[in-house]
Amino acid sequence: GQQLNQSPQSMFIQEGEDVSMNCTSSSIFNTWLWYKQDPGEGPVLLIALYKAGELTSNGRLTAQFGITRKDSFLNISASIPSDVGIYFCAGRGGTSYGKLTFGQGTILTVHP
Amino acid sequence: GAVVSQHPSRVICKSGTSVKIECRSLDFQATTMFWYRQFPKKSLMLMATSNEGSKATYEQGVEKDKFLINHASLTLSTLTVTSAHPEDSSFYICSASGTSGEGTQYFGPGTRLLVL
Repeated sequence: GQQLNQSPQSMFIQEGEDVSMNCTSSSIFNTWLWYKQDPGEGPVLLIALYKAGELTSNGRLTAQFGITRKDSFLNISASIPSDVGIYFCAGRGGTSYGKLTFGQGTILTVHP
Repeated sequence: GAVVSQHPSRVICKSGTSVKIECRSLDFQATTMFWYRQFPKKSLMLMATSNEGSKATYEQGVEKDKFLINHASLTLSTLTVTSAHPEDSSFYICSASGTSGEGTQYFGPGTRLLVL
């Protein structure tokens, strides 16, 4: 089946630093999604990418849909303490309303 | 927009009882809803996919008779954990996708189930 490799698994950074995480796959995806999950909560959609090569920003977050359709990255600029959480990438292939394949998650810790 | 709610947020039950979890899309019609299970510090594990008015499609290894899913309307899906046992204790999360946004899934806040 389809698998996503997300890295890094965890990051410990100082407030104000930039963060970068990525996901790669051996399969092609039609959509890439990035979610953030706080403890005890459901994932919240950060950025949705629908076209290969697409670069999209949401405030301090920027994500790109790789041109090969097999990878995506998420950058967070000037991190703040509330950026702490688990970030998941998710890819969807096939039908527009199909299942998502999730990465393993990146645990982000921001030290004030 | 795209708000999904879940109820209850937490539930504690005795072993052998059944528990029903509701998932509602509040401001859009959800043609498809998904149920996930998540273990601590792990990724989401898809349990089943349900389309309104039809039977749910279960992932391999998920017992359909234990995890009953009903998607009776475009805004409500329910997951019933039947004859719950301690090993069913987990964080259950639903998501919903509608006809717009190319099927992007929006997640509920999750339900923490503890079976004693």
